[in-house]
Amino acid sequence: KQEVTQIPAALSVPEGENLVLNCSFTDSAIYNLQWFRQDPGKGLTSLLLIQSSQREQTSGRLNASLDKSSGRSTLYIAASQPGDSATYLCAVEVDSNYQLIWGAGTKLIIKP
Amino acid sequence: DVKVTQSSRYLVKRTGEKVFLECVQDMDHENMFWYRQDPGLGLRLIYFSYDVKMKEKGDIPEGYSVSREKKERFSLILESASTNQTSMYLCASRYYRGSADTQYFGPGTRLTVL
Repeated sequence: KQEVTQIPAALSVPEGENLVLNCSFTDSAIYNLQWFRQDPGKGLTSLLLIQSSQREQTSGRLNASLDKSSGRSTLYIAASQPGDSATYLCAVEVDSNYQLIWGAGTKLIIKP
Repeated sequence: DVKVTQSSRYLVKRTGEKVFLECVQDMDHENMFWYRQDPGLGLRLIYFSYDVKMKEKGDIPEGYSVSREKKERFSLILESASTNQTSMYLCASRYYRGSADTQYFGPGTRLTVL
């Protein structure tokens, strides 16, 4: 059964630093991997979607990579800003039934 | 822009009450989902629907039912609310299964059962 893990559960860094969030999954039979952002008390916003045939996707200061063979993805945030403070969730879309399996998230705090 | 709306942001109900959570999407999406989110557990799928009048159980369907009479609307029903159903409920929609597209989420309903 597919399991998705995000480490660390929480991260606090000073403004301006580059940072990496990690996501690992146990079964490489995935359709895609997605990163979402959730602000406190709000719904989720999609950030990046990486198809299983792709290695990375970029959007502005965000870059997500995918290594299916090792079951890992990273979300790189460049030049962090206080507005990046949120919980970041990783999810894999399972190849067999196209459902999303979710990690528990990393709560990111960027200190001014 | 895809818009997914949920009927209430906050809801307080008493144990044993019947609770209806409504979700509406405006992009003619075939697929709709109901999740609950609890601290430390991530999102867990309750039910999903691939098309009108079709529904499939997710990972935690016990104590819940759903209704999809129209394509744009997906309702989650708690037949007899219990305190362990206190949670954040998130609705999502997607164009269709297998599409190279993400799920679009509503703002969530924070339900408290007393």
